[in-house]
Amino acid sequence: DQQVKQNSPSLSVQEGRISILNCDYTNSMFDYFLWYKKYPAEGPTFLISISSIKDKNEDGRFTVFLNKSAKHLSLHIVPSQPGDSAVYFCAASADDYKLSFGAGTTVTVRA
Amino acid sequence: NAGVTQTPKFQVLKTGQSMTLQCAQDMNHEYMSWYRQDPGMGLRLIHYSVGAGITDQGEVPNGYNVSRSTTEDFPLRLLSAAPSQTSVYFCASSYPEQGKETQYFGPGTRLLVL
Repeated sequence: DQQVKQNSPSLSVQEGRISILNCDYTNSMFDYFLWYKKYPAEGPTFLISISSIKDKNEDGRFTVFLNKSAKHLSLHIVPSQPGDSAVYFCAASADDYKLSFGAGTTVTVRA
Repeated sequence: NAGVTQTPKFQVLKTGQSMTLQCAQDMNHEYMSWYRQDPGMGLRLIHYSVGAGITDQGEVPNGYNVSRSTTEDFPLRLLSAAPSQTSVYFCASSYPEQGKETQYFGPGTRLLVL
């Protein structure tokens, strides 16, 4: 049973607008959450993370929000750029270095 | 630094054949792991190692063996390949003191089992 779920397989957004990716989790022991970005034929690369003691973390155009009571996190990309077109994976860990991944959301940024 | 390297990039096997997927890192990372990526499933942890001589099972370990004789290398062995093992395999490494987010992934090995 998947403990991390990304219910939107794909997202299409116009260049310059905001992309919002959502992720839900079921394991209350998760205390660290990450977003990875993946281009075709490459390995995932780390994008941004957030600890369970925070509710927001920002890095340039990328912001991750965590709602622990709802077991929900989201990634905001503002403004979206063509190079942001990729698959985005949400991941979580419970202080043991092992990552549980969601199924991924494919983002397409339209010119 | 080359980072995390994986060989081969692509492999075709027949059912029942064996093979070893190679993974190496030159960052002196203690922690290494193997994931498989399947459509609609994300990445699932197969095996991991927290240091040389120490390995443990992840979420989907059946059909795979690993060993960690050196810090640099973490090979994944398929003893008797099955079509269900058709997947893309990623190796990752990290140095715990740098934080959990610094898991570096290799480029992947695409495996097709006929």
